[in-house]
Amino acid sequence: LAKTTQPISMDSYEGQEVNITCSHNNIATNDYITWYQQFPSQGPRFIIQGYKTKVTNEVASLFIPADRKSSTLSLPRVSLSDTAVYYCLAKTGANNLFFGTGTRLTVIP
Amino acid sequence: DTGVSQNPRHKITKRGQNVTFRCDPISEHNRLYWYRQTLGQGPEFLTYFQNEAQLEKSRLLSDRFSAERPKGSFSTLEIQRTEQGDSAMYLCASSFRLAGGNEQFFGPGTRLTVL
Repeated sequence: LAKTTQPISMDSYEGQEVNITCSHNNIATNDYITWYQQFPSQGPRFIIQGYKTKVTNEVASLFIPADRKSSTLSLPRVSLSDTAVYYCLAKTGANNLFFGTGTRLTVIP
Repeated sequence: DTGVSQNPRHKITKRGQNVTFRCDPISEHNRLYWYRQTLGQGPEFLTYFQNEAQLEKSRLLSDRFSAERPKGSFSTLEIQRTEQGDSAMYLCASSFRLAGGNEQFFGPGTRLTVL
């Protein structure tokens, strides 16, 4: 199980791009990097997943350097509704997910 | 709404009582997971089913906890002789196995308060 390390909290103004970096030094060859978002009193929601280089979807981009020891979740032009906890996970497609404590993002008007 | 549903959404009980939660996964998903989340922490894995078979259990799942998925569809999580330390959000998730995939679809959770 690759342990991940990410900032405990971040603040950003509305309309800015937010980058949350996660380190996973012990990531295994078969591990994918996955990000989840969680709002208060809701279950986590899958945002994006990648193995290497760059992945982009309608919500976010995920940048993974060649050594795969870290990854960066990029949220373009955040709004107040993006205030949430963001979890970085690095684990094979196995049976359980290890979430850690996540990064609490607060978007300020 | 065809997402994962959980019932009840809230449960308040007295210490020592038994409680049962239900999870209805997305219909075509063959995998079902239970997690527990306490305030300020991320979800912690409890157990996992593939169809009706319970294939993995965390050490967090003491003998007071039991989970079933009798027909490979809905699942129940029962806690016997509840303790105050059982107070938490209990989350259910489901997925359909894809190679390398970590995408699980979570329900809204059942918040348990043990008095």
